[in-house]
Amino acid sequence: GAVVSQHPSWVICKSGTSVKIECRSLDFQATTMFWYRQFPKQSLMLMATSNEGSKATYEQGVEKDKFLINHASLTLSTLTVTSAHPEDSSFYICTVLAESSYEQYFGPGTRLTVT
Amino acid sequence: QKEVEQNSGPLSVPEGAIASLNCTYSDRGSQSFFWYRQYSGKSPELIMSIYSNGDKEDGRFTAQLNKASQYVSLLIRDSQPSDSATYLCAVNEENTGFQKLVFGTGTRLLVSP
Repeated sequence: GAVVSQHPSWVICKSGTSVKIECRSLDFQATTMFWYRQFPKQSLMLMATSNEGSKATYEQGVEKDKFLINHASLTLSTLTVTSAHPEDSSFYICTVLAESSYEQYFGPGTRLTVT
Repeated sequence: QKEVEQNSGPLSVPEGAIASLNCTYSDRGSQSFFWYRQYSGKSPELIMSIYSNGDKEDGRFTAQLNKASQYVSLLIRDSQPSDSATYLCAVNEENTGFQKLVFGTGTRLLVSP
């Protein structure tokens, strides 16, 4: 399967600041990546589909102006949480899609805490 | 709204036993089915994919698919304490070109020594 990295693995920021999370596909060219969020003891929630070279597609209820996604290359997608608030504290995880098998490979996740 | 249903558990089995995890899904058009394992505090890890009716074996894991019954299961033979985790069933959505996955809420498995 694909090897996916995320940076940073954890981050603490103050309310009102912005945080950028990087997702890299290390051995695989990913046209499509996905961003998920997971609150403690809850299931994964898909936030958006990130397509290389085009605008991201956001799920219903996800604010596109708050969660900015850029997929500028086949190996890198970034998620920027703008004007973060404590309720944005969560575990953010990206995946890369293997289009031949429809398998999604998860990155290790980024734990965001907003104080 | 497409749904994937799993029993939340916990499913408790003794070491060495077979653990049986079940999942049902609502989208009859789904083509691909996946089992992920998620340890506490970690991200999910893909352990099995299955696309055709029947059984697929990989080491101690066997995935079973029955599209007519819209049912997919995962058997773990010779369960080990290290298998203790939450197991997520995922199914792809036909109306998204089969790209998006719908995840179940997961079944927590506890394997006691």
